[in-house]
Amino acid sequence: DAGVIQSPRHEVTEMGQEVTLRCKPISGHNSLFWYRQTMMRGLELLIYFNNNVPIDDSGMPEDRFSAKMPNASFSTLKIQPSEPRDSAVYFCASSNRYEQYFGPGTRLTVT
Amino acid sequence: DAKTTQPPSMDCAEGRAANLPCNHSTISGNEYVYWYRQIHSQGPQYIIHGLKNNETNEMASLIITEDRKSSTLILPHATLRDTAVYYCIVIASGTYKYIFGTGTRLKVLA
Repeated sequence: DAGVIQSPRHEVTEMGQEVTLRCKPISGHNSLFWYRQTMMRGLELLIYFNNNVPIDDSGMPEDRFSAKMPNASFSTLKIQPSEPRDSAVYFCASSNRYEQYFGPGTRLTVT
Repeated sequence: DAKTTQPPSMDCAEGRAANLPCNHSTISGNEYVYWYRQIHSQGPQYIIHGLKNNETNEMASLIITEDRKSSTLILPHATLRDTAVYYCIVIASGTYKYIFGTGTRLKVLA
């Protein structure tokens, strides 16, 4: 298996623009997680899906952030409009039991 | 979820065993101990987990004290590629919300 796939790997955008991050979980995994990592706050869980349904979005920082999982093999995290403080590495992870498998991350820079 | 305490950094000579401690003195009976590591610029990688018995896999061993208030991750023969930040996480069975602390930054020295 190729593992969790994320795209793009790097994204540079200007403040106010819409940003869409993409994730393909490991086939057969029924749970998907979006995390954000910054130097100041470390790794934070943003949202958790189980069987394509959002279960816990309490970590989503504000209404500018939204996430969808239209099917078992694809999820998106959208930021609209983006702000410089959204600059971070965003990780997607999937799981089918206890351990989570993380993707390589998307490094987002908002100028 | 119970909190964990880890030393901020450790050094280990290449080829020697790396012993990474974790304190989880408030752990509950149904909470597991998980270890992950994050090599620079990569996503976290699952290493091992356990409840109360010691565990071993191809990557590492996990030793949990009898009172379960602390544990040690052992990398038996550390290599330069084991240089990473190691996270100890305590989480109840069936739950999903990992709380990543600051971890231990392990540097393996040639």
